[in-house]
Amino acid sequence: QKEVEQNSGPLSVPEGAIASLNCTYSDRVSQSFFWYRQYSGKSPELIMSIYSNGDKEDGRFTAQLNKASQYVSLLIRDSQPSDSATYLCAFRTHGYQKVTFGTGTKLQVIP
Amino acid sequence: DARVTQTPRHKVTEMGQEVTMRCQPILGHNTVFWYRQTMMQGLELLAYFRNRAPLDDSGMPKDRFSAEMPDATLATLKIQPSEPRDSAVYFCASGLVQGVSTDTQYFGPGTRLTVL
Repeated sequence: QKEVEQNSGPLSVPEGAIASLNCTYSDRVSQSFFWYRQYSGKSPELIMSIYSNGDKEDGRFTAQLNKASQYVSLLIRDSQPSDSATYLCAFRTHGYQKVTFGTGTKLQVIP
Repeated sequence: DARVTQTPRHKVTEMGQEVTMRCQPILGHNTVFWYRQTMMQGLELLAYFRNRAPLDDSGMPKDRFSAEMPDATLATLKIQPSEPRDSAVYFCASGLVQGVSTDTQYFGPGTRLTVL
């Protein structure tokens, strides 16, 4: 079993809709969770981090964490064509620098 | 606008040749990471340094890969000899650790390596 599982997609949503990206992880001691966005041919950039159970909102983005289910998700409200990218889920164990990444979900927002 | 720089941006070489990739972390950052990204494996951590000291290189094939930080402004990743399976995009990232760990890693633009 991979440490981080993501559906590779592509996930296609119409402009203005909510995009829901999901991720499961296997390491029960993971404590920090991240969502990175990577445009085609570009480098990853951090868009959200979450550490405790529940929701965390930042603009149109909401990260949701459920440690009991080992599940983290990212919701993008009012999706825009500029949101079309690959979204990487990642986690880190407290006290360690190593961040483990999923293979990413490709999101396509259709105008 | 501080950013991580990497050179070269593209490298095409033949199997058996030595490849050296360079990274300049953001000034003041004390942690440097080397990643490799392929379609099949995604983003894999090869090695990382804190205050120029290697902390973890368990993700790196040690028989052919080596990573160093000669000084705080330069990190290098070397492959000798290179093989076609090393073809990938290699990213360097840096961060500032204050306390136990840093959340934000700033990625460079990557070096796209093709080994023929």
